[in-house]
Amino acid sequence: AQSVAQPEDQVNVAEGNPLTVKCTYSVSGNPYLFWYVQYPNRGLQFLLKYITGDNLVKGSYGFEAEFNKSQTSFHLKKPSALVSDSALYFCAVSDTNAGKSTFGDGTTLTVKP
Amino acid sequence: DAGVTQSPTHLIKTRGQQVTLRCSPKSGHDTVSWYQQALGQGPQFIFQYYEEEERQRGNFPDRFSGHQFPNYSSELNVNALLLGDSALYLCASSLVGRGEGTDTQYFGPGTRLTVL
Repeated sequence: AQSVAQPEDQVNVAEGNPLTVKCTYSVSGNPYLFWYVQYPNRGLQFLLKYITGDNLVKGSYGFEAEFNKSQTSFHLKKPSALVSDSALYFCAVSDTNAGKSTFGDGTTLTVKP
Repeated sequence: DAGVTQSPTHLIKTRGQQVTLRCSPKSGHDTVSWYQQALGQGPQFIFQYYEEEERQRGNFPDRFSGHQFPNYSSELNVNALLLGDSALYLCASSLVGRGEGTDTQYFGPGTRLTVL
């Protein structure tokens, strides 16, 4: 069985400040980890993924994520937040690259000017 | 290059009815997955189709069925609709091929189903 936890329902940051959205996971075997963003009444947009290799993954729109195997975490980060980053963010885990993905319940990020 | 497309955008049905949702994958992709996203929750995996067969299935009842066509497009059918089936239904396509997948799932905009 695989699972994902996003411990924060809401994250608020000021524009220009760094942001972190937290994610922890559980999966048997090697994890495939993903971050997606969802804007109101839209589908999910892929941001980045970790499969293997470097623990710091760089993705779209200046986002990056840090894989920590010992803490089973995959936190999403951005050095300088923009108001336009305000959206719903989902972390997902799979035991294959494009198989069944299990999603967290999402974290709403609000960036205030 | 079109991304994943879904139809219809919105749908309203009554309890007990049947519904069919459609998905066209991103060009070059051979695999389609369906997810149900209830309000305030993350997407939940329904099933995945590859080579016109159901390859994986989540914890959904048999009322949920699907089909994949030779052109890789897919349909999701839900019979005997319940109020709890109201949700955003997302289709995701990927390139899996015969081995381990080499591509990521890309999602369509979804179909909003309301059951009254």
